[in-house]
Amino acid sequence: DARVTQTPRDKVTEMGQEVTMRCQPILGHNTVFWYRQTMMQGLELLAYFRNRAPLDDSGMPKDRFSAEMPDATLATLKIQPSEPRDSAVYFCASGLSGGNPEQFFGPGTRLTVL
Amino acid sequence: QKEVEQNSGPLSVPEGAIASLNCTYSDRGSQSFFWYRQYSGKSPELIMFIYSNGDKEDGRFTAQLNKASQYVSLLIRDSQPSDSATYLCAVDTGGFKTIFGAGTRLFVKA
Repeated sequence: DARVTQTPRDKVTEMGQEVTMRCQPILGHNTVFWYRQTMMQGLELLAYFRNRAPLDDSGMPKDRFSAEMPDATLATLKIQPSEPRDSAVYFCASGLSGGNPEQFFGPGTRLTVL
Repeated sequence: QKEVEQNSGPLSVPEGAIASLNCTYSDRGSQSFFWYRQYSGKSPELIMFIYSNGDKEDGRFTAQLNKASQYVSLLIRDSQPSDSATYLCAVDTGGFKTIFGAGTRLFVKA
C-alpha cells in the first residue's frame, strides 16, 4: 500500500557532524512537508515544497538546515553542522494540493545529537 | 501567542464517556481545520477535517467549528481505551501551509 518512507529511522551523531534525512513521498503527491517534533515545541513546520519547488522554509534555521527535492520521489533535509538542540523526531509528510487535504506522515527519523 | 493553542492535558475520561478536546487559533483567514491523532512513538494520522461553521460527524467523532470565535473542538463519544493518544489540532493558514497545536493527551480509563 502507498505510504511515505523515511530513512534513517534512528540516527545518533556527534555535535558538528552532518546529518542527512531522506523521504520518499507517496507516488503522485505534489506537496512535501518537513516537520520537527519535540516535547517542548510540539510539531513545527520547517519547510514545504509543491511540485518540487520550495514554497516556505521560514520555520527552518537557515544557517545550518537545508531542504531540497532532487526529484519527485526524493526529498532531503540536511543539517550541517548538527547541534544537541537539533535532537528531535523529524517527520516528512506528503499530500495532494487541490485534492484530499490530508497529509500522510512518514514514520519519522529520531535524531540524537550528542 | 501561539498560532494554534490547545490544553496539553492530560484529559482523563472513563470508558464510555464523551471526551471533549478544544483548540483556538489566531489567524482569522484560516479556512481548513484538522484533527490528527498520534499514538506514542508513532506518526500523526488524520481523524477529521472541517471547513464550514457547525458540526461534522464521522462515526464516534464530531468536529465543531466556530470561525467567529476562532474555535475548533473534537468530541469523541463512547470513548474507548484505544482512543488514548495525543490529539493534534491543525490549521491550514493558506496554500496548504499547516500549523499544528502542541496537542492534548487523552487517557481513557477502562
